[in-house]
Amino acid sequence: DQQVKQNSPSLSVQEGRISILNCDYTNSMFDYFLWYKKYPAEGPTFLISISSIKDKNEDGRFTVFLNKSAKHLSLHIVPSQPGDSAVYFCAASAGGTASKLTFGTGTRLQVTL
Amino acid sequence: GAGVSQSPSNKVTEKGKDVELRCDPISGHTALYWYRQSLGQGLEFLIYFQGNSAPDKSGLPSDRFSAERTGGSVSTLTIQRTQQEDSAVYLCASSLSWRTGELFFGEGSRLTVL
Repeated sequence: DQQVKQNSPSLSVQEGRISILNCDYTNSMFDYFLWYKKYPAEGPTFLISISSIKDKNEDGRFTVFLNKSAKHLSLHIVPSQPGDSAVYFCAASAGGTASKLTFGTGTRLQVTL
Repeated sequence: GAGVSQSPSNKVTEKGKDVELRCDPISGHTALYWYRQSLGQGLEFLIYFQGNSAPDKSGLPSDRFSAERTGGSVSTLTIQRTQQEDSAVYLCASSLSWRTGELFFGEGSRLTVL
């Protein structure tokens, strides 16, 4: 039972354009959402998070949008840079903490020149 | 240390053998987590330690899996009588507390069971 779904296994975007990575969830108890980025042979690194009391959180080039009614969140990267090429994981938890995260299967982003 | 350290980075073992994976979290981090990533899958929660509280073991897939955290620092994940389906990358993470979402992950231990 995949409670967090990233339906696009890969995405290719030109440098300078917007990258939009999507994530859907099924568990209505989830109230805290995070995005992690992973380079090959490295552990995931935290990017940005959002609590369910918000619908948008911004950090530099990264913005996360949350649509609770649709159980959908998205990560926007503007402008995209070649160094953003990585696998992006969406994660969610219940209880407003990160004690037990449920991860999606990841989307591989390729930013081309 | 500067980051979360895991060892070994690679482990190949035969089916039925026991393995131990070690995690050294960031100094001062009270929360420690184990996840695993099987081929083509997302990260799967295994177990979580927070300070001196009893660990949350709800993600351990079977009683062949166990973990301990000694002195509130280093953790060891033990898999007994390994099976081929145990092959995965085992990731350890730590954070300042269970409240924060910023988990700092190690590079993982890749386990291959032949």
